[in-house]
Amino acid sequence: EVQLVESGGGLVQPGGSLRLSCVASGFTFNTYWMSWVRQAPGKGLEWVAHIKYDGNEAFYVDSVKGRFTISRDNAKNSLYVQMNSLRVEDTALYYCARGHWGLKYWGQGSLVTVSS
Amino acid sequence: DIQMTQSPSSLSASVGDRVTITCQASRDSSNHLNWYQQKPGKAPKLLIYDGSTLDAGVPSRFSGSASGTHFTFTISSLQPEDGATYYCQQSNNVRQTFGQGTKVEVK
Repeated sequence: EVQLVESGGGLVQPGGSLRLSCVASGFTFNTYWMSWVRQAPGKGLEWVAHIKYDGNEAFYVDSVKGRFTISRDNAKNSLYVQMNSLRVEDTALYYCARGHWGLKYWGQGSLVTVSS
Repeated sequence: DIQMTQSPSSLSASVGDRVTITCQASRDSSNHLNWYQQKPGKAPKLLIYDGSTLDAGVPSRFSGSASGTHFTFTISSLQPEDGATYYCQQSNNVRQTFGQGTKVEVK
């Protein structure tokens, strides 16, 4: 059974940093691209970033470029996103998802709240 | 960047009705167009990928079609459990874009 479990969310002040993790199981992690998708409270889905299966390529939505870094550790079946210079508008539920085309498997999400 | 314009933003229909949602891409997305269903408090669920391919286990009343940059999602006979928000998503190696979502209410 495929499972994706996010962690690391919480309350942070504007300008602060947070690192989210996603531990994967039930599939061969190092053969799949992985994505982060977020959803602000009461709003729609927004793609944040995705990373190639070997970690050698990563792409970002313009609003997080230079502030967020997606990475992975295939030995630990883990996906990460380091979020720096956080803004109020980054407040959202952050999902990790398997793949970068049809996202068939999603985690339960990790809530990030940016507020003073 | 490819922009996705999804419409309508919401609709209300009765059980048994045919429901159609559309997404217009700002340019060709090579049919990597996917449709998701999201219910409150839940992660999105992939229903259709590559424009028209039903994911495993998805009821056949859901369908998708494509014509150039215009994509259509249809529920042929709306069921009570179909009340949810539906999103289109275009994707390629460089980026992904979601439509704004369509909230479907079942009367």
